[in-house]
Formats: sequence, structure tokens, C-alpha cells
Amino acid sequence: GAVVSQHPSWVICKSGTSVKIECRSLDFQATTMFWYRQFPKQSLMLMATSNEGSKATYEQGVEKDKFLINHASLTLSTLTVTSAHPEDSSFYICSARLRQYNEQFFGPGTRLTVL
Amino acid sequence: GIQVEQSPPDLILQEGANSTLRCNFSDSVNNLQWFHQNPWGQLINLFYIPSGTKQNGRLSATTVATERYSLLYISSSQTTDSGVYFCAVALQAGTALIFGKGTTLSVSS
Repeated sequence: GAVVSQHPSWVICKSGTSVKIECRSLDFQATTMFWYRQFPKQSLMLMATSNEGSKATYEQGVEKDKFLINHASLTLSTLTVTSAHPEDSSFYICSARLRQYNEQFFGPGTRLTVL
Repeated sequence: GIQVEQSPPDLILQEGANSTLRCNFSDSVNNLQWFHQNPWGQLINLFYIPSGTKQNGRLSATTVATERYSLLYISSSQTTDSGVYFCAVALQAGTALIFGKGTTLSVSS
């Protein structure tokens, strides 16, 4: 299957700082990438859809000015959590879809802890 | 929006037992995938199965699209099968997956 990587795998930051998470499709071109958030013992919740070369589409309740998404190429999407607060602590997971297929593949996730 | 319901929420098995996990969805879907989330959080693709039946080793899955449900079968379970199993669906091609709440499987030796 297709490989999706995320960096970093975990990050600890102080409240008020910004954190950038990278999502890369390693062996395929992804026209669309998705960002999810998962709190402990819960399911994955969609945050936004990221299309290469266009603005991301955010789900209701997700602040676009707080969670900045950039999809600058067919293999890279980034999520920046701006002015992070402890309630932003979560597991952030990206997924990507091959251009010609419907199946989606997920990255290993990034665990963010805001102190 | 579409509703995705998984059952049972928790399942405890002895090694070697068989199990069936169910996923019901409330609307016609273009994509249905089953995942296993390992202890480190990685989602492992098990099946891409918007319809029909597939098998991969001890695992198999069946989706009856007209009746809006999918089943994941695990035979001869092993301790390494433990973890959370998610069903996820998408209404249209290329759109995001919507996840069920998952089934937590615990297999003991």
C-alpha cells in the first residue's frame, strides 16, 4: 500500500507557541489530503480537507485561523497549530488519497502536548 | 450527516476464538474501509470494501451496500489482533472518511 509519513511523531510545547506538523505522501501523488484529530479513547474527527493548490475546507467548529493548513505540492500538506493551548493537546493524523484511486492511507500520527 | 455505528463497542476473546464486528451506515456510500489502530496509534488498512467480499489471511470482510452494513470477520484470533477496529465511510469519491466509534478487541492467551 501507499506510504504516508508525518513529522514530528510527537511534540511538547509551551502554551502560546505555534507548532507545524508535516504530512507527506512518500511514493504517490495525493491531490487531496485530510486532517483528523483524535482525543483519548475517542474516534477520529475530521478537521479539514486539503486540496493541492487551493484553500483548505474546514469542518464546522474548527477555527481556520487557529489551524492553518497549506498544501503546496502533491506530496506535502502542513498543519500549523497557532497559539496552542492545553486544550489543543491531541493526536493529529493525516490521510492521503491517491490521485486515481478512492482508498485512503493514513500517516502514523503526531501526538501534541501543550503545557 | 451520515451516521456510522459499530458493534459491539468492546469484545473480549480467548486466543483462537472467532469474532464478527459489524458496521451499520445510514446512507449510500462510495467508500468503506476497515482499519486496525495499533497501540501506537497507527491506522493499518485492512480492507477497502465499498461492496462485496474480500479475504486476507485470517481476516475477511463483507459489505452489503443495499442493506447498508459491513462485517469484519476475524478467525483464530491472536493476541496481536488486540486493538481498536474502525469502520469508516465516505459518501462520494474523493471525500473524507467518516469514522465509527470503533470496536475495542482484547485477545488473551
